[in-house]
Amino acid sequence: AQRVTQPEKLLSVFKGAPVELKCNYSYSGSPELFWYVQYSRQRLQLLLRHISRESIKGFTADLNKGETSFHLKKPFAQEEDSAMYYCASSRGSTLGRLYFGRGTQLTVWP
Amino acid sequence: GAVVSQHPSWVICKSGTSVKIECRSLDFQATTMFWYRQFPKQSLMLMATSNEGSKATYEQGVEKDKFLINHASLTLSTLTVTSAHPEDSSFYICSATPPPGTEGSNYGYTFGSGTRLTVV
Repeated sequence: AQRVTQPEKLLSVFKGAPVELKCNYSYSGSPELFWYVQYSRQRLQLLLRHISRESIKGFTADLNKGETSFHLKKPFAQEEDSAMYYCASSRGSTLGRLYFGRGTQLTVWP
Repeated sequence: GAVVSQHPSWVICKSGTSVKIECRSLDFQATTMFWYRQFPKQSLMLMATSNEGSKATYEQGVEKDKFLINHASLTLSTLTVTSAHPEDSSFYICSATPPPGTEGSNYGYTFGSGTRLTVV
């Protein structure tokens, strides 16, 4: 079974500080990894997917198959980054069936 | 971009009654939609895959007779919580994505705004 682990339930940093939200997955195949973000009172929305290798809102995430990790990073956090972040995985053959981590609530203090 | 609409946004019902939640893809056709459940301060849990024109596929541990899914058209999937009980109170969210290669498909799975169900 697939499992996505986000070890930190809460994470607080000051504005301008680097931030890293950890995500580890357990699946021996080739999963597709995602980061979703949920701002206060808004719906879940896609932030990053590993296959696109993009940088969105300054965030990047690299898939490390050796460590089975997909940590989300941003060098300089902003107050508007405060939100709930979910790491999710999906097996490529079953598009859409996402398995989510428990989420990390990021708070960026001014 | 792809938009998924979910209705109602919240509903309160009496124990023993049934509640229907709708999930619509507004500007694309979705042969597959997904239903999730989220308990307070917990993650989203995949409940089932809704397939247009065929039976839904339920995840292990999800009662298919309790959570009836109907995907009668390419833009609408419904989740009916039958004989609801207080333990069914939760936040239900649907998602869908345009078919690969079509507009919006690169943005991954679009989520509805969710339905807060409270059973009293």
